[in-house]
Amino acid sequence: EPEVTQTPSHQVTQMGQEVILRCVPISNHLYFYWYRQILGQKVEFLVSFYNNEISEKSEIFDDQFSVERPDGSNFTLKIRSTKLEDSAMYFCVSRYGNVLLVNTEAFFGQGTRLTVV
Amino acid sequence: AQTVTQSQPEMSVQEAETVTLSCTYDTSESDYYLFWYKQPPSRQMILVIRQEAYKQQNATENRFSVNFQKAAKSFSLKISDSQLGDAAMYFCAYSPGTASKLTFGTGTRLQVTL
Repeated sequence: EPEVTQTPSHQVTQMGQEVILRCVPISNHLYFYWYRQILGQKVEFLVSFYNNEISEKSEIFDDQFSVERPDGSNFTLKIRSTKLEDSAMYFCVSRYGNVLLVNTEAFFGQGTRLTVV
Repeated sequence: AQTVTQSQPEMSVQEAETVTLSCTYDTSESDYYLFWYKQPPSRQMILVIRQEAYKQQNATENRFSVNFQKAAKSFSLKISDSQLGDAAMYFCAYSPGTASKLTFGTGTRLQVTL
């Protein structure tokens, strides 16, 4: 079964450092997303990405965050200067996005746990 | 803005019994998708079941079924013959289109007792 792969599974970083979270979406999918989940809270949308550009972003996704898909396969989330409150599980998600396709499932990666100290 | 509400922070069920988790949502869209995700302690997000709003028939996946009431904007999950492995956080989610973002509820923690 196809799967979304995220690396690393756990990252510890010092406050103020830059981090890059990596994701390999499912190969024929067209829409990509990042979500985050602070421990004990709900899953929150950060950003969606289609056709090599951001299609939607939330209030959380400020200037400290950026996304790119530089080589057509990897999809990355960069946090330029991490804060303590950025500590969370970050999920990469991909969807095919074809209305004719019966399966509208959003495929989640296993997550990257980011700990900012 | 779309919102998803799960009013039960915690639920408990005995093994082999049936439990229903509640979810309501708010939307002005006529066509959309609803999902239930299971999150075990590993924090992996596992799709349990999905429902397309244009389908009147309630979705069923083995021991999991939904009661979709479109007019009431209600989407509850029924777990039959509960098993210890069903213990997890369950999140209800809404999406207005096949490629749109998911909006999640706050989750219900399900405990399964012997």
